[in-house]
Amino acid sequence: EAQVTQNPRYLITVTGKKLTVTCSQNMNHEYMSWYRQDPGLGLRQIYYSMNVEVTDKGDVPEGYKVSRKEKRNFPLILESPSPNQTSLYFCASSADQGLADYNEQFFGPGTRLTVL
Amino acid sequence: AQSVAQPEDQVNVAEGNPLTVKCTYSVSGNPYLFWYVQYPNRGLQFLLKYITGDNLVKGSYGFEAEFNKSQTSFHLKKPSALVSDSALYFCAVRDEASGTYKYIFGTGTRLKVLA
Repeated sequence: EAQVTQNPRYLITVTGKKLTVTCSQNMNHEYMSWYRQDPGLGLRQIYYSMNVEVTDKGDVPEGYKVSRKEKRNFPLILESPSPNQTSLYFCASSADQGLADYNEQFFGPGTRLTVL
Repeated sequence: AQSVAQPEDQVNVAEGNPLTVKCTYSVSGNPYLFWYVQYPNRGLQFLLKYITGDNLVKGSYGFEAEFNKSQTSFHLKKPSALVSDSALYFCAVRDEASGTYKYIFGTGTRLKVLA
């Protein structure tokens, strides 16, 4: 089954304790993104990757890191989490090749993070 | 800079009536426009998109949207609403001219279809 998986689905942590949220897709997509969803703010893009070893900042990259060493994986790293990073996080992937049929993003189920 | 506006936080409609969820955008080049739906405790699901071609695009679950370049709008519509359409809807835009994979999402509109 074609899917985007995220782990963990729920995480409660404390300020300053480094954490990683994993994201993996099995559709051989080149493009992957991380978003955070907050009430009243919608989805905001954190980082995206257009290919292996190619990443770039979205609108809200502060406090986050990403890496893309393999095509299928795109982990989100919080080196020193703070309470304002409490949010619902989504990973997404797309087979965007500039063609009309391939631009939609497939989203993971989400990771609800609470930073105390 | 890219931007997307969904002016209504919530839209209420009676079952069987037509529904419209509004979206306006701002980009410097040609827009790639998308609608996604989010059901409770789920990720987002793709509904439809406008990349090029016909201004009226049809998507999943009987939804359609009309691209209006002069009004920079991409409103989501459905002729007859179902209670099961109740969900959170997001409009998103990507600027073709940016050459990047940067997406801007709206703040979302909660659709409530009343039986």
